[in-house]
Amino acid sequence: EVQLVESGGGLVQPGGSLRLSCEASGFIFSYQYMDWVRLAPGKGLEWVGRIRNEVNSYITEYAASVRGRFTISRDDSKNSVYLETNSLKTEDTAVYYCVRIFGHCVRDRCNWGEHGDYYYTMDVWGKGTTVIVSS
Amino acid sequence: DIVMTQSPLSLPVTPGEPASISCRSSQSLLHSNGRNYLDWYLQKPGQSPQLLIYLGSKRASGVPDRFSGSGSGTDFTLKITRVEAEDVGIYYCMQGLQIPVSFGGGTKVDIK
Repeated sequence: EVQLVESGGGLVQPGGSLRLSCEASGFIFSYQYMDWVRLAPGKGLEWVGRIRNEVNSYITEYAASVRGRFTISRDDSKNSVYLETNSLKTEDTAVYYCVRIFGHCVRDRCNWGEHGDYYYTMDVWGKGTTVIVSS
Repeated sequence: DIVMTQSPLSLPVTPGEPASISCRSSQSLLHSNGRNYLDWYLQKPGQSPQLLIYLGSKRASGVPDRFSGSGSGTDFTLKITRVEAEDVGIYYCMQGLQIPVSFGGGTKVDIK
């Protein structure tokens, strides 16, 4: 069974840090891009960031709201992806979801590892871990 | 950045009746390859979001055929032919054309 299990959430004071973890199972983790998406109370879904796979150089991309404060990393040997959150603000309070990204081939012939040959969708979501930033 | 706008915000539905949600993007989502880089997701109460539709009109695995996606460029629609009680939740459209990925504000569907 394909599964993503997040952990590491909790209550933290403004300015503090937390490291969120996500352990994957049931698929070849090293092949996939992985995202973090959050849902703040009373708000809609917000994309946080993405990490590509090894063949795409583990490139990371971030939302402007977290760039410079959050860092995504992965350890393929542990089937895990991480979200290091620093300088937390009250507006970072949210449920944080770990998401598997599936690449759909959008060309007549797609080359594995060729980023532009695929369209990327969020096809598997974890149950989420809650981060509360409050004094 | 691409801004996604959904309507309506809230949609009370009657089981067995059709329902429709609109999504508009601030820039065209039509890629040069002819595909529309738009997804639809549903977050049911107490659950994580799930993928319904990708590339504008392709149903994800296991999604009932009462769900369909249409549209091109900047205007898209999610239709449910006959709503069932299990379809309640918040529906989001999302553009995957550019980073940052962006979601619409959501449409809450509930039973009348």
